[in-house]
Amino acid sequence: GENVEQHPSTLSVQEGDSAVIKCTYSDSASNYFPWYKQELGKRPQLIIDIRSNVGEKKDQRIAVTLNKTAKHFSLHITETQPEDSAVYFCAAPRGSTLGRLYFGRGTQLTVWP
Amino acid sequence: GAGVSQSPSNKVTEKGKDVELRCDPISGHTALYWYRQSLGQGLEFLIYFQGNSAPDKSGLPSDRFSAERTGGSVSTLTIQRTQQEDSAVYLCASSLRRDSGNTIYFGEGSWLTVV
Repeated sequence: GENVEQHPSTLSVQEGDSAVIKCTYSDSASNYFPWYKQELGKRPQLIIDIRSNVGEKKDQRIAVTLNKTAKHFSLHITETQPEDSAVYFCAAPRGSTLGRLYFGRGTQLTVWP
Repeated sequence: GAGVSQSPSNKVTEKGKDVELRCDPISGHTALYWYRQSLGQGLEFLIYFQGNSAPDKSGLPSDRFSAERTGGSVSTLTIQRTQQEDSAVYLCASSLRRDSGNTIYFGEGSWLTVV
């Protein structure tokens, strides 16, 4: 199946700084890459996703970049705030967008005020 | 309701007892997943249902775990002869398969504690 590697496992930044989380995947046919945010004690929720026909997508302070040649994609959070503190998961399907999603192991982001 | 609904939200059971966890996906969603999340850990895939296809059971950790999905909607995850290591949050998720992407939506989870 798809192998999704996520780094780092923990990340601490000062409020206002940027945070970057990276994921790599193994299936070159994968073409849909979502990111989920899970706050403590709550369900994971989709925050942004990207499809393989674009290289970058932005939504206010968050952005995702995709490098299909290298088979990696990254989450970028700018001007971090304490409420950004959470666990972030990347995911990729095996094969097409209709395939089962495989999740990375998660990154615990802590933003210090 | 509009979201994925799970019950019970919390369950404390004695070691050796069987438990059933229920998931009601978003109406019209053909794909349904079960994941397990231990304290501070990632999302461990358990099982995946897609329409009328045979389920992908490759993530079930032992034969004590089973799941079914009746009528293509509600799903039940059953854990027989529970062990303490089964204590975790069991998350259900569903998605609507479409070419533009298969965003999955999670339920709030069922917190299982085996004592």
